[in-house]
Amino acid sequence: QVQLVESGGGVVQTGGSLRLSCAASGFTFAVSPMHWVRQAPGKGLEWVAFVSHDGSLDSYADSVRGRFTISRDNSRNTLFLQMNSVGGDDTAIYYCARHRDEGSFDYWGQGTLVTFSS
Amino acid sequence: SYVLTQPPSVSVAPGKTARITCGGDNIGRKSVHWYQQKPGQAPVEVIYSTTDRPSGIPERFSGSSSGNTAALTISRVEAGDEADYYCQVWDTIIYHWLFGGGTKLTVL
Repeated sequence: QVQLVESGGGVVQTGGSLRLSCAASGFTFAVSPMHWVRQAPGKGLEWVAFVSHDGSLDSYADSVRGRFTISRDNSRNTLFLQMNSVGGDDTAIYYCARHRDEGSFDYWGQGTLVTFSS
Repeated sequence: SYVLTQPPSVSVAPGKTARITCGGDNIGRKSVHWYQQKPGQAPVEVIYSTTDRPSGIPERFSGSSSGNTAALTISRVEAGDEADYYCQVWDTIIYHWLFGGGTKLTVL
């Protein structure tokens, strides 16, 4: 069955950097576009970033463009999110999710909590 | 920029029908997707492409859209349906994905 397992979360100082990973299994990762979606404590869902199946195309929410970078390693079935120049507004649970052709997110990981502290 | 508007909360008695709306400019022309999120859990897709149900989602869940309003309808509501529900669309021009603010469904 499809599994997405995020890792790399924790407490980071404001202005620091962090790299999240998402290990995928149970499907052909190399043909699947992927996303990162986040949820601040007590708040709603916010789309963060998208990457095409081969990494040739990416897209970012305005709130993270220029600071976050999405990438993937299809040989390791792993999705990444490099987070730089982070601040308190970036505190959230970060989910990786698989893209469905129709534009939705059909499978989600359980999320990894990232807390930025001054 | 495009905005999706959901009511913060909806309440319904068990066995009744719940309707959760999602407002947006000409949303009837877009493909709308819906997610259920229970406390402490990841979201689960319950409707995609406005009206389609993923495998494993009960037929009690249905979607519709017209004009400026899309809706998720849950028939014969059960206590286990209590959750936050989010609508979502995809802007295929600028490759951005957008969520509504979410609706908390309370089963009385």
